[in-house]
Amino acid sequence: QAVVTQEPSLTVSPGGTVTLTCGSSTGAVTSGHYPYWFQQKPGQAPRTLIYDTSNKQSWTPARFSGSLLGGKAALTLSGAQPEDEAEYYCLLSYSGARVFGGGTKLTVL
Amino acid sequence: EVQLVQSGAEVKKPGESLKISCKGSGYRFTDYWIGWVRQMPGKGLEWMGIIYPGDSDTRYSPSFQGQVTISADKSISTAYLQWSSLKASDTAMYYCARSASGWANWGQGTLVTVSS
Repeated sequence: QAVVTQEPSLTVSPGGTVTLTCGSSTGAVTSGHYPYWFQQKPGQAPRTLIYDTSNKQSWTPARFSGSLLGGKAALTLSGAQPEDEAEYYCLLSYSGARVFGGGTKLTVL
Repeated sequence: EVQLVQSGAEVKKPGESLKISCKGSGYRFTDYWIGWVRQMPGKGLEWMGIIYPGDSDTRYSPSFQGQVTISADKSISTAYLQWSSLKASDTAMYYCARSASGWANWGQGTLVTVSS
């Protein structure tokens, strides 16, 4: 089974910009991996922010965007807010099999 | 309104069996895949498998193949996750999710505690 890698932790200043990445042990991440990004806050169920690389849910703040960057999937947060402090997980699809990354704990400080 | 409502928390002993549920409402249950996700205490999300209630087509992640059984009863719009013999390492929160619109809808989670 493929291994999906994320930064364990990142810190961003309020109002700042940060990029979270999602890599694959099998090589470059492409749109064919249908990258997803989920946000999870303590005690809550995960919720989808981004699907199929760059599509947003209706509740996804405009400051979040998804892309492919340097062979990885990327989630960019521009103008971080205190409420963005959370765990972020990417999910990649491998011919139907799905694998989560280990998650990135994002601190807004 | 689309909802996935999961069954309540469970406390079980090792070796016992268990079946937890995820009831869908507000949409045609047979038209969308239901996925199950595990989150062990203080750990990340793990994809367990999915089922298509329309024809019960089921796919398991390799780590969970043979460890759990995913099923669905379309007559009552409910998906299930079951264990025949629980282990302490099955202690976790389990979530179901619906495949529509980028897995937009999630259940509230079911906490399973396995302890002697």
